[in-house]
Amino acid sequence: TQLLEQSPQFLSIQEGENLTVYCNSSSVFSSLQWYRQEPGEGPVLLVTVVTGGEVKKLKRLTFQFGDARKDSSLHITAAQPGDTGLYLCAGFVAVSGNTPLVFGKGTRLSVIA
Amino acid sequence: ETGVTQTPRHLVMGMTNKKSLKCEQHLGHNAMYWYKQSAKKPLELMFVYSLEERVENNSVPSRFSPECPNSSHLFLHLHTLQPEDSALYLCASSPDRGYNQPQHFGDGTRLSIL
Repeated sequence: TQLLEQSPQFLSIQEGENLTVYCNSSSVFSSLQWYRQEPGEGPVLLVTVVTGGEVKKLKRLTFQFGDARKDSSLHITAAQPGDTGLYLCAGFVAVSGNTPLVFGKGTRLSVIA
Repeated sequence: ETGVTQTPRHLVMGMTNKKSLKCEQHLGHNAMYWYKQSAKKPLELMFVYSLEERVENNSVPSRFSPECPNSSHLFLHLHTLQPEDSALYLCASSPDRGYNQPQHFGDGTRLSIL
């Protein structure tokens, strides 16, 4: 059973379009992180969201943490070819003690010029 | 510049070979991790070290053997691997072990088992 479900798995859009990708769970998380991984490289952290309902912006990227801290979304405005990559959400389940960071399978985004 | 360096970047080995993957972090972090990334699967945590002590081993087969000689270096020793072990192996570090810690990844070693 997948703890973090990401959708869609694949997304191919034209430059300039907007898109939203989702990260959902039935579990509550202390925090959620979003990473972007480009071919031949390791994942790079984009943002961490901690508070339910929190919204963070990183240039054209908007991240939201659900009120119940079970889900998150990433919205990209006016996508550019440089946004192409694998977007991974990851989170720490809210239980006592140290828990490992768990990852979703990712959304593979392709932005076509 | 990643701050976490992994070598080699690519490795092809037979099932009877013994090899080691190396990871070095220049960030002054206290925790280091090994992950396995396979196609169609989420990143799988293999090992966690905090202050050079192994604190977590996620039921990884004994053909994978980690070593952390100091807080800057992490190794993954490989022996008698199987074809299903072919994957991208990622090393990461974080300031400390614990929730909300951001992970800094290396670019991985692409491992192919013949």
